[in-house]
Amino acid sequence: QAVVTQEPSLTVSPGGTITLTCGSSTGAVTGGHYPYWFQQKPGQAPRTLIYDTNNKHSWTPARFSGSLVGGKAALTLSGAQPEDEADYYCLLSYNQVEVFGGGTKLTVL
Amino acid sequence: EVQLVESGGGLVQPGGSLRLSCAASGFTFSSYWMSWVRQSPAKGLEWVASIQPDGGEERYVDSVKGRFTISRDNPKNSLYLQMTNLGAQDAAIYYCAKAGSGWFEYWGQGTLVTVSS
Repeated sequence: QAVVTQEPSLTVSPGGTITLTCGSSTGAVTGGHYPYWFQQKPGQAPRTLIYDTNNKHSWTPARFSGSLVGGKAALTLSGAQPEDEADYYCLLSYNQVEVFGGGTKLTVL
Repeated sequence: EVQLVESGGGLVQPGGSLRLSCAASGFTFSSYWMSWVRQSPAKGLEWVASIQPDGGEERYVDSVKGRFTISRDNPKNSLYLQMTNLGAQDAAIYYCAKAGSGWFEYWGQGTLVTVSS
């Protein structure tokens, strides 16, 4: 099974910009992996922020955006807020098998 | 408002069985793929299984094939996960999720499965 890799932890200053990445052990991440990004806060279920690389749900704050950068999926947070401190997980699809990354703990400090 | 409410979790002995349920409301259940995803401290988030709207197609992660069965009862707006031969590696919070805009558009709050003697 493929392994999906994320930065274990990152820190961003309030109002700052940061990019989280999501890589694949099988090679470059493409749109065919339909990258997803999820946010999870302590004691809560995950919440989907981005689907199919760069599509947002109605509840996704405008400061979050998804893209493909350098062979990886990327989640960019522009103008970080204290409430954005959370765990972020990506997910890639491999021929009808869905694989989550290990998650990035984002600290806003 | 979409609501997904899981139930059926609990303590089970190694080798035992458990059936999880997910009660869905606020949308036309019979029109959407549904999935189970689990989360444990050791393995993080893991997709477990998905089922087609009419139940005709099921997909599983390799680690549960032959042990878990996903099913649904569309008239009852319910999703199920029958789990057998449970081991310590299956201990987790189990979430049901609805597809829509993306594979996991909405998530329930989860039900905890503990495997211990």
